[in-house]
Amino acid sequence: AQKVTQAQTEISVVEKEDVTLDCVYETRDTTYYLFWYKQPPSGELVFLIRRNSFDEQNEISGRYSWNFQKSTSSFNFTITASQVVDSAVYFCALSEGVANAGKSTFGDGTTLTVKP
Amino acid sequence: GAVVSQHPSWVICKSGTSVKIECRSLDFQATTMFWYRQFPKQSLMLMATSNEGSKATYEQGVEKDKFLINHASLTLSTLTVTSAHPEDSSFYICSATYQSSYNSPLHFGNGTRLTVT
Repeated sequence: AQKVTQAQTEISVVEKEDVTLDCVYETRDTTYYLFWYKQPPSGELVFLIRRNSFDEQNEISGRYSWNFQKSTSSFNFTITASQVVDSAVYFCALSEGVANAGKSTFGDGTTLTVKP
Repeated sequence: GAVVSQHPSWVICKSGTSVKIECRSLDFQATTMFWYRQFPKQSLMLMATSNEGSKATYEQGVEKDKFLINHASLTLSTLTVTSAHPEDSSFYICSATYQSSYNSPLHFGNGTRLTVT
């Protein structure tokens, strides 16, 4: 069965610091997708990124970057020069196999607090 | 981008009554919708998968007679919490995908906060 572990329950940083959110996953499938979502205090979930298991290329989008390493089953998320608006709960999720189309297993989330 | 509308945003009901939550895909046809439940400071737990025109598939431990799901069209799925009790108080979130593919990102509604008194 699949599993997603976000070991960091809460992280607190000061504005402009860089911060990395860890995500470790377990799956028996060779084909799978990994996601990161942001949940601000208002509650809605915001899709940030999707990465398939065959593409280990790291990705950068503005202040966000993601490091995918199959060797360690990790998909870490880094926010550079953090801002107060980055304060939210961040979820890592895993979706595996065509038979489970669209179903995702979520980690427990990491609550990020960015202080001014 | 794809938009999923969930209504109501919050609802307070008395114990024993039923509550219906709607999930609509506004600019795409959602072949599959998912219902999640989130307790405070916890992760999202998948309750059921709703496919248009067929019965919902419930996750283990979810009472299908208590959480009725109807996916009558490609743009609407409803979750009815029947005979609600205080322990049903939670944040319910729906999501929808327009491709029957595991690589489709899920488009989430804004959630419904249910409080049962």
